Amino acid sequence: GIQVEQSPPDLILQEGANSTLRCNFSDSVNNLQWFHQNPWGQLINLFYIPSGTKQNGRLSATTVATERYSLLYISSSQTTDSGVYFCAVVGYNFNKFYFGSGTKLNVKP
Amino acid sequence: GAGVSQSPRYKVAKRGQDVALRCDPISGHVSLFWYQQALGQGPEFLTYFQNEAQLDKSGLPSDRFFAERPEGSVSTLKIQRTQQEDSAVYLCASSLGRRRGQGDGYTFGSGTRLTVV
Repeated sequence: GIQVEQSPPDLILQEGANSTLRCNFSDSVNNLQWFHQNPWGQLINLFYIPSGTKQNGRLSATTVATERYSLLYISSSQTTDSGVYFCAVVGYNFNKFYFGSGTKLNVKP
Repeated sequence: GAGVSQSPRYKVAKRGQDVALRCDPISGHVSLFWYQQALGQGPEFLTYFQNEAQLDKSGLPSDRFFAERPEGSVSTLKIQRTQQEDSAVYLCASSLGRRRGQGDGYTFGSGTRLTVV
């Protein structure tokens, strides 16, 4: 399988602060997604980003496939951003996600 | 519907009881996946269907776990003789893609939280 490592494991921010979450993976991938799991357990797809850079409002993500890492940027954080952020990848020889262990984000008012 | 629907949302089972968890994928989605998420961990793969064919069941933890998708749409994950270690959130995801390893977006359901007492 593919090893996926996320850092940091826990992050506490003051509302309005910016942050960067990192995802390293051990093999070439043809699918990488960032998910936000809200307190009710729902996994919300944030980005489908096997390579390149995308932005959606206060969130943006960059994947450097050749160096096997991806970054998720959160700017001007809000309390509603709290939850667990997962990076998940699909390799060329697989058809299933390998998830990291997540970054637990707590944004305080 | 617009998203992946799972039922029940919560299930409490007595140890030894059989349970059945349902997943309604997005209409037209060919691929369907089941994942198990233990508390404080990331989801782990259980099984994968392409239409009605179960192409990968390597993640099923024991022969007490069984999944089916007889008509290529709704899927059921059945757990027989539940044990306490089966307590977890069971997530279903679907995608339009059919080719092995094809990259496209996956949509997850809200999950079923199973508690075995």
